Amino acid sequence: QKEVEQNSGPLSVPEGAIASLNCTYSDRGSQSFFWYRQYSGKSPELIMFIYSNGDKEDGRFTAQLNKASQYVSLLIRDSQPSDSATYLCAVTVNAGGTSYGKLTFGQGTILTVHP
Amino acid sequence: EAQVTQNPRYLITVTGKKLTVTCSQNMNHEYMSWYRQDPGLGLRQIYYSMNVEVTDKGDVPEGYKVSRKEKRNFPLILESPSPNQTSLYFCASSSEQNTEAFFGQGTRLTVV
Repeated sequence: QKEVEQNSGPLSVPEGAIASLNCTYSDRGSQSFFWYRQYSGKSPELIMFIYSNGDKEDGRFTAQLNKASQYVSLLIRDSQPSDSATYLCAVTVNAGGTSYGKLTFGQGTILTVHP
Repeated sequence: EAQVTQNPRYLITVTGKKLTVTCSQNMNHEYMSWYRQDPGLGLRQIYYSMNVEVTDKGDVPEGYKVSRKEKRNFPLILESPSPNQTSLYFCASSSEQNTEAFFGQGTRLTVV
Protein backbone atom coordinates (compact mmCIF):
# COMPACT_ATOMS: atom_id res chain seq x y z
CA GLN A 1 0.00 0.00 0.00
CA LYS A 2 1.30 3.43 -0.93
CA GLU A 3 1.89 5.78 1.97
CA VAL A 4 -0.18 8.55 0.41
CA GLU A 5 -2.80 7.75 -2.20
CA GLN A 6 -4.76 9.97 -4.51
CA ASN A 7 -7.06 9.25 -7.40
CA SER A 8 -4.96 10.29 -10.39
CA GLY A 9 -8.03 11.41 -12.30
CA PRO A 10 -8.43 13.27 -14.48
CA LEU A 11 -11.25 14.95 -12.62
CA SER A 12 -13.32 17.16 -14.86
CA VAL A 13 -15.80 19.71 -13.49
CA PRO A 14 -17.71 22.57 -15.12
CA GLU A 15 -16.85 26.15 -14.32
CA GLY A 16 -18.57 27.30 -11.16
CA ALA A 17 -18.94 23.81 -9.70
CA ILE A 18 -17.31 22.39 -6.57
CA ALA A 19 -14.24 20.23 -7.18
CA SER A 20 -13.55 17.60 -4.54
CA LEU A 21 -10.09 16.10 -4.28
CA ASN A 22 -9.36 13.22 -1.95
CA CYS A 23 -6.29 11.75 -0.31
CA THR A 24 -5.74 8.85 2.08
CA TYR A 25 -2.60 8.06 4.05
CA SER A 26 -1.39 4.94 5.74
CA ASP A 27 0.68 6.14 8.72
CA ARG A 28 -1.42 7.00 11.78
CA GLY A 29 1.54 9.00 13.09
CA SER A 30 1.11 11.55 10.31
CA GLN A 31 0.95 15.03 11.75
CA SER A 32 0.81 17.65 9.04
CA PHE A 33 -1.11 17.68 5.79
CA PHE A 34 -0.56 19.87 2.77
CA TRP A 35 -2.19 20.52 -0.56
CA TYR A 36 0.01 21.77 -3.37
CA ARG A 37 -1.03 22.91 -6.82
CA GLN A 38 1.25 22.26 -9.78
CA TYR A 39 0.75 23.69 -13.23
CA SER A 40 2.26 21.77 -16.11
CA GLY A 41 6.02 22.26 -16.22
CA LYS A 42 6.04 24.39 -13.06
CA SER A 43 7.02 23.78 -9.47
CA PRO A 44 4.49 22.88 -6.77
CA GLU A 45 3.04 25.76 -4.79
CA LEU A 46 1.29 25.49 -1.44
CA ILE A 47 -2.47 26.07 -1.35
CA MET A 48 -3.48 24.85 2.08
CA PHE A 49 -2.13 23.12 5.13
CA ILE A 50 -4.04 21.55 8.00
CA TYR A 51 -2.89 20.04 11.27
CA SER A 52 -6.09 19.38 13.24
CA ASN A 53 -9.23 17.40 12.60
CA GLY A 54 -12.03 19.33 10.97
CA ASP A 55 -12.30 21.94 8.28
CA LYS A 56 -10.05 24.84 7.39
CA GLU A 57 -11.22 27.45 4.92
CA ASP A 58 -9.20 29.94 2.89
CA GLY A 59 -11.11 31.80 0.22
CA ARG A 60 -12.54 29.31 -2.27
CA PHE A 61 -10.52 26.45 -0.78
CA THR A 62 -11.48 24.21 2.14
CA ALA A 63 -9.27 21.47 3.51
CA GLN A 64 -10.88 18.71 5.55
CA LEU A 65 -9.00 16.32 7.82
CA ASN A 66 -10.27 13.17 9.46
CA LYS A 67 -7.44 11.45 11.30
CA ALA A 68 -9.61 8.54 12.47
CA SER A 69 -10.33 7.67 8.84
CA GLN A 70 -6.85 8.75 7.68
CA TYR A 71 -8.40 10.96 5.09
CA VAL A 72 -7.77 14.50 3.92
CA SER A 73 -9.64 16.32 1.20
CA LEU A 74 -9.59 19.62 -0.66
CA LEU A 75 -12.76 21.33 -1.86
CA ILE A 76 -12.55 24.08 -4.44
CA ARG A 77 -15.71 26.15 -4.65
CA ASP A 78 -16.72 28.15 -7.72
CA SER A 79 -14.09 26.35 -9.79
CA GLN A 80 -12.42 28.40 -12.51
CA PRO A 81 -10.54 27.29 -15.63
CA SER A 82 -7.41 28.73 -14.00
CA ASP A 83 -7.77 26.05 -11.30
CA SER A 84 -6.94 23.40 -13.90
CA ALA A 85 -3.74 21.81 -12.63
CA THR A 86 -2.39 18.79 -10.80
CA TYR A 87 -3.13 18.80 -7.06
CA LEU A 88 -0.65 17.07 -4.81
CA CYS A 89 -1.44 15.83 -1.34
CA ALA A 90 1.56 15.69 1.02
CA VAL A 91 1.90 14.33 4.52
CA THR A 92 4.63 14.57 7.14
CA VAL A 93 5.41 11.96 9.74
CA ASN A 94 7.74 12.65 12.62
CA ALA A 95 9.96 9.70 13.42
CA GLY A 96 10.13 11.11 16.92
CA GLY A 97 12.16 13.56 18.92
CA THR A 98 14.01 15.98 16.71
CA SER A 99 13.83 13.77 13.61
CA TYR A 100 13.04 15.45 10.37
CA GLY A 101 9.34 15.48 9.46
CA LYS A 102 9.65 13.71 6.13
CA LEU A 103 7.27 15.03 3.49
CA THR A 104 5.66 12.25 1.43
CA PHE A 105 3.62 13.09 -1.65
CA GLY A 106 0.76 11.35 -3.35
CA GLN A 107 0.93 10.90 -7.09
CA GLY A 108 -1.37 13.84 -7.70
CA THR A 109 -4.85 14.36 -9.15
CA ILE A 110 -5.26 16.12 -12.48
CA LEU A 111 -8.14 18.60 -12.35
CA THR A 112 -9.70 20.10 -15.45
CA VAL A 113 -12.26 22.88 -15.14
CA HIS A 114 -14.09 23.39 -18.42
CA PRO A 115 -15.95 26.58 -19.35
CA GLU B 1 12.54 38.11 -2.84
CA ALA B 2 12.40 34.84 -0.93
CA GLN B 3 13.23 32.03 -3.30
CA VAL B 4 14.85 28.69 -4.01
CA THR B 5 17.06 28.80 -7.09
CA GLN B 6 18.10 25.77 -9.10
CA ASN B 7 20.57 25.62 -11.95
CA PRO B 8 20.54 24.63 -14.67
CA ARG B 9 16.86 24.56 -15.66
CA TYR B 10 17.48 22.17 -18.52
CA LEU B 11 20.33 19.75 -19.05
CA ILE B 12 21.04 17.07 -21.62
CA THR B 13 24.05 14.91 -20.88
CA VAL B 14 25.57 11.57 -21.80
CA THR B 15 25.73 8.43 -19.72
CA GLY B 16 28.59 8.43 -17.25
CA LYS B 17 29.46 12.12 -17.38
CA LYS B 18 29.43 13.55 -13.87
CA LEU B 19 27.11 16.48 -13.27
CA THR B 20 25.99 18.75 -10.47
CA VAL B 21 22.67 20.52 -10.09
CA THR B 22 22.92 23.46 -7.75
CA CYS B 23 20.28 24.64 -5.28
CA SER B 24 20.40 27.78 -3.21
CA GLN B 25 17.85 29.35 -0.85
CA ASN B 26 17.86 32.84 0.64
CA MET B 27 15.38 32.25 3.47
CA ASN B 28 17.85 30.92 6.05
CA HIS B 29 15.95 27.61 6.10
CA GLU B 30 17.43 24.68 7.95
CA TYR B 31 15.70 21.92 6.01
CA MET B 32 16.42 21.22 2.36
CA SER B 33 15.43 18.31 0.13
CA TRP B 34 15.79 16.98 -3.37
CA TYR B 35 12.91 15.30 -5.21
CA ARG B 36 12.50 13.73 -8.57
CA GLN B 37 9.18 13.72 -10.37
CA ASP B 38 8.25 11.07 -12.90
CA PRO B 39 4.91 10.47 -14.66
CA GLY B 40 2.61 8.29 -12.58
CA LEU B 41 5.02 8.20 -9.65
CA GLY B 42 4.64 11.68 -8.24
CA LEU B 43 7.36 13.40 -6.25
CA ARG B 44 9.85 11.09 -4.59
CA GLN B 45 12.44 12.27 -2.13
CA ILE B 46 16.07 11.59 -3.01
CA TYR B 47 17.97 13.13 -0.11
CA TYR B 48 17.28 15.63 2.60
CA SER B 49 19.30 17.75 4.99
CA MET B 50 18.34 18.98 8.45
CA ASN B 51 21.26 21.38 8.77
CA VAL B 52 24.83 22.01 7.70
CA GLU B 53 26.76 18.74 7.44
CA VAL B 54 23.62 16.73 8.30
CA THR B 55 22.13 14.76 5.42
CA ASP B 56 20.18 11.54 5.06
CA LYS B 57 18.73 9.32 2.39
CA GLY B 58 15.21 9.68 1.15
CA ASP B 59 13.21 7.09 -0.76
CA VAL B 60 15.31 6.88 -3.94
CA PRO B 61 18.94 7.79 -3.11
CA GLU B 62 20.73 5.30 -5.39
CA GLY B 63 22.97 7.00 -7.92
CA TYR B 64 22.91 10.39 -6.19
CA LYS B 65 25.09 12.27 -3.73
CA VAL B 66 24.52 15.50 -1.85
CA SER B 67 26.49 17.80 0.39
CA ARG B 68 25.54 20.61 2.76
CA LYS B 69 28.62 22.67 3.52
CA GLU B 70 26.72 25.92 3.81
CA LYS B 71 23.21 26.52 5.07
CA ARG B 72 22.00 28.12 1.86
CA ASN B 73 23.35 25.56 -0.65
CA PHE B 74 22.42 21.93 -1.24
CA PRO B 75 23.84 20.61 -4.52
CA LEU B 76 22.78 17.31 -6.06
CA ILE B 77 25.57 15.28 -7.63
CA LEU B 78 25.23 12.50 -10.17
CA GLU B 79 28.64 10.84 -10.32
CA SER B 80 27.79 8.56 -13.26
CA PRO B 81 24.39 9.45 -14.70
CA SER B 82 22.33 6.77 -16.38
CA PRO B 83 19.24 7.04 -18.63
CA ASN B 84 16.94 5.97 -15.77
CA GLN B 85 17.87 9.21 -14.03
CA THR B 86 16.16 11.19 -16.77
CA SER B 87 13.56 13.10 -14.78
CA LEU B 88 12.33 16.45 -13.49
CA TYR B 89 14.20 17.40 -10.33
CA PHE B 90 13.06 19.80 -7.62
CA CYS B 91 14.91 21.26 -4.70
CA ALA B 92 12.87 22.43 -1.72
CA SER B 93 13.50 24.14 1.60
CA SER B 94 11.52 24.71 4.78
CA SER B 95 12.12 26.52 8.04
CA GLU B 96 11.02 23.85 10.48
CA GLN B 97 9.70 20.36 10.63
CA ASN B 98 6.14 19.95 9.41
CA THR B 99 5.96 23.30 7.73
CA GLU B 100 5.54 24.48 4.18
CA ALA B 101 8.19 23.48 1.67
CA PHE B 102 9.23 26.09 -0.90
CA PHE B 103 10.25 24.64 -4.23
CA GLY B 104 12.77 25.70 -6.81
CA GLN B 105 11.83 26.09 -10.47
CA GLY B 106 12.87 22.56 -11.36
CA THR B 107 15.64 21.04 -13.48
CA ARG B 108 14.70 18.87 -16.41
CA LEU B 109 17.51 16.36 -16.89
CA THR B 110 17.87 14.07 -19.88
CA VAL B 111 20.57 11.39 -19.89
CA VAL B 112 21.24 9.80 -23.27
